[in-house]
Formats: sequence, structure tokens, C-alpha cells
Amino acid sequence: GENVEQHPSTLSVQEGDSAVIKCTYSDSASNYFPWYKQELGKGPQLIIDIRSNVGEKKDQRIAVTLNKTAKHFSLHITETQPEDSAVYFCAAESNDYKLSFGAGTTVTVRA
Amino acid sequence: DTEVTQTPKHLVMGMTNKKSLKCEQHMGHRAMYWYKQKAKKPPELMFVYSYEKLSINESVPSRFSPECPNSSLLNLHLHALQPEDSALYLCASSQDSGEGMDTGELFFGEGSRLTVL
Repeated sequence: GENVEQHPSTLSVQEGDSAVIKCTYSDSASNYFPWYKQELGKGPQLIIDIRSNVGEKKDQRIAVTLNKTAKHFSLHITETQPEDSAVYFCAAESNDYKLSFGAGTTVTVRA
Repeated sequence: DTEVTQTPKHLVMGMTNKKSLKCEQHMGHRAMYWYKQKAKKPPELMFVYSYEKLSINESVPSRFSPECPNSSLLNLHLHALQPEDSALYLCASSQDSGEGMDTGELFFGEGSRLTVL
């Protein structure tokens, strides 16, 4: 099955700085890579996703890059704000249609 | 309406009790999911229903029994649980569960926090 590793496990950044979270996956058949944000007391919410036919996708302050050859993908958050503080999960979906989640990154944005 | 609604938000039960968790969505999604999430861990898939039929059971113990009465509702029946089953139980839905394309966005509810005494 798919194995997704995520780093770092915690990340503290100054407001306005950038945050980068990296994930690797094991199954070369995986073709869908979403990122979920989970705030305290809430369920995860999709913030951005990327499919294997593109290398980069951007949505305002959030971007995701995918390197299929190296089997890794990354989340970039620019100009961080206090409301970006949350737990972020990367995930990969292989051709069994199951999402495998990374272990999560707790992001704290310091004011 | 892009909401997945879960009830109850909190549940405390003894090991001999029988209880149920409920989930509802009105987005017309044909796939519904149960996930279990322990503190500071990622969600773990338990069950997937696709077009009201159970399509994936991740070897979940039989003390957890899912039910999908119709395309908008998903239940999880609980019986004879153990203290280690205490967790946040998340329901999610998606347009469909794959079948030739990826599942796309999962819409999660806020979860039911279960404590087993």
C-alpha cells in the first residue's frame, strides 16, 4: 500500500514569513495529492490539491509543487497570517481510491 | 449547502452500551466515509460506501457496524467498545469514490468525539 511521510512535524513561523511542508510517497501509481487543513475542534478541510499531470498549482498565498520522478510534493504558504495556524495533512491517492495521509504538521504563526 | 453534519458532537459510553453515530449530507454526493482520528494523528479510514453499498472495510472490528440507509445518511453503530476505541470519528463525503477517476475533494464533518469508559 501507499506510505506517505511528512516533514516537519511542527513548524513555527513569524507572521508574514513563508512556511514549507514536504511529503514523500512510495507508490508510483499515486496520481492525486490533496492537502488538508484541520483547525482545533473541526474536521479537515481541503485547501489545495494537485494531480499528476501538472507540476505546480497556486491559489492566492498557497502553492503546491509535485515531482513525480522523485515522488515528493510540497506545500508553500506565503505571507503567513495567524489564521494559518492549524494542523496540515498531505495525502496521496493511488489506484485503489484510498487516501493515505501523512502524519501531519502543526503550524504556529507567531504574531 | 456544502456541509456534512454529524451527531452527536460528544458521546460517552460504557463498554456494554449500544449507541450510534449519525452523519448527513445534502450535496448529492454518492460516496460516504467513516474515519477514526486519535489525538495528534491523521485520520484512518474505516469504511467507504459508494452508491449506498459498502465498498471498503479496512478490517474494522465487528463491534463497529456501518449502515447507509440512503444516499444522504450514514450511521455507525457501536456495541461492546473498548476504551482504546475512544477517538474522534469523522464522517466525510465525496462526489463519488473513484471508479476510473480520483475521489476528488472529501468534505468532512466536525466529528463525533467518543469516550469509552
